[in-house]
Amino acid sequence: DVVMTQSPLSLPVTLGQPASISCRSSQSLVYSDGNTYLNWFQQRPGQSPRRLIYMVSKRDSGVPDRFSGSGSGTDFTLRISRVEAEDVGIYYCMQGTHWPLLFGGGTKVEIK
Amino acid sequence: EVQLVESGGGLVQPGGSLRLSCEVSGLTFSTSWMNWVRQGPEKALEWVASIKPDGSERYYVDSVKGRFTISRDNAKNSLYLDMNSLRGEDTALYYCARGWLRAGFDQWGQGTLVTVSA
Repeated sequence: DVVMTQSPLSLPVTLGQPASISCRSSQSLVYSDGNTYLNWFQQRPGQSPRRLIYMVSKRDSGVPDRFSGSGSGTDFTLRISRVEAEDVGIYYCMQGTHWPLLFGGGTKVEIK
Repeated sequence: EVQLVESGGGLVQPGGSLRLSCEVSGLTFSTSWMNWVRQGPEKALEWVASIKPDGSERYYVDSVKGRFTISRDNAKNSLYLDMNSLRGEDTALYYCARGWLRAGFDQWGQGTLVTVSA
């Protein structure tokens, strides 16, 4: 099975400062159709997950443009340009290229 | 307003069975891929199962194959998960989620808690 590794595990950030989360896969996430199925989810404390980004860099409707996704092959990044208080939570990457569908272990974003 | 409302969770003994349900409104259920995703206590998200809009294809994580069955009733806008031979490691909050499996899930319910314990 593919292995998804997120880093860091915990990310203390100052309000207004940028933040960056890494997600690495043990195999390329380029699918046979040429697309790369790497998605990002946010889970605020006590809430259900919410998809932020799909297919590496496509932002979901209603997601602030301070969130962006990038990467290719096996290396991907979620960036928050200026962290706000509402961004506190756990962020998960998820690959949809290989079976089984798999989430990363999560990165906890907290305010310093 | 889109709503996915799970029900059917509870406390069950190891080896027991449960049926989870998810009632969906506010979206076109009959053309949507549907999924179950679970989250154990203080654990990461884990994809469990997916079903095609017409029910003709179903996919499962290995750990539940042969024990869990995903199904749907498009006339009732409802998704189900039949869980048999339950184990302690199945203890989790089970979420119903909409979305084509490869691109992830864009709508989620609030979850229903399953606890497997003697």
